[in-house]
Amino acid sequence: AQKITQTQPGMFVQEKEAVTLDCTYDTSDQSYGLFWYKQPSSGEMIFLIYQGSYDEQNATEGRYSLNFQKARKSANLVISASQLGDSAMYFCAMREGPNFGNEKLTFGTGTRLTIIP
Amino acid sequence: KAGVTQTPRYLIKTRGQQVTLSCSPISGHRSVSWYQQTPGQGLQFLFEYFSETQRNKGNFPGRFSGRQFSNSRSEMNVSTLELGDSALYLCASSTLRGPHTEAFFGQGTRLTVV
Repeated sequence: AQKITQTQPGMFVQEKEAVTLDCTYDTSDQSYGLFWYKQPSSGEMIFLIYQGSYDEQNATEGRYSLNFQKARKSANLVISASQLGDSAMYFCAMREGPNFGNEKLTFGTGTRLTIIP
Repeated sequence: KAGVTQTPRYLIKTRGQQVTLSCSPISGHRSVSWYQQTPGQGLQFLFEYFSETQRNKGNFPGRFSGRQFSNSRSEMNVSTLELGDSALYLCASSTLRGPHTEAFFGQGTRLTVV
């Protein structure tokens, strides 16, 4: 079974609109972390936002917020007021188990977001 | 503060050859992980090093190996290259300072095997 599922291969969004990128995950661990990364065409993976399994509040970082629904095992990324520079691939990733001793990230297949002027 | 540096950025090799890729982590980061990214398989974890020891290894053949030096710089080696090894190889470093520790990635080495 896929540990990280991103069901939207591609999305087109009008500039200045909000966009939600979906991510569901599968793990039996109680302690885990969820990450979102942005990958522009240059190839570098840029960290956007993190949500820990024990965090009670949804994470926010500027225009990025994470809609964390633990019971549904979903961690959707919300980008408010999209900009042309937001056009890129977006990956959801999970680190399972306690932080120390396991740095392995499992990635989803990604969503290609295109912002239309 | 310098980011994660990977060298070279681009590489073309012939089947059967071997290749060594280098990764210099962010200063102070002791954990270095390697990932392979291909259109067909996506992003896959190769291995992770911490304090010169391999702690985790992904599901890759023994042709893929790595090491970490005392200054935390890491190298990965692929021997007997196959066409399917063509990929973007990404290196990530982290500080292991707590559960919110994110991994910082380099720009990757794009390897083409012909």
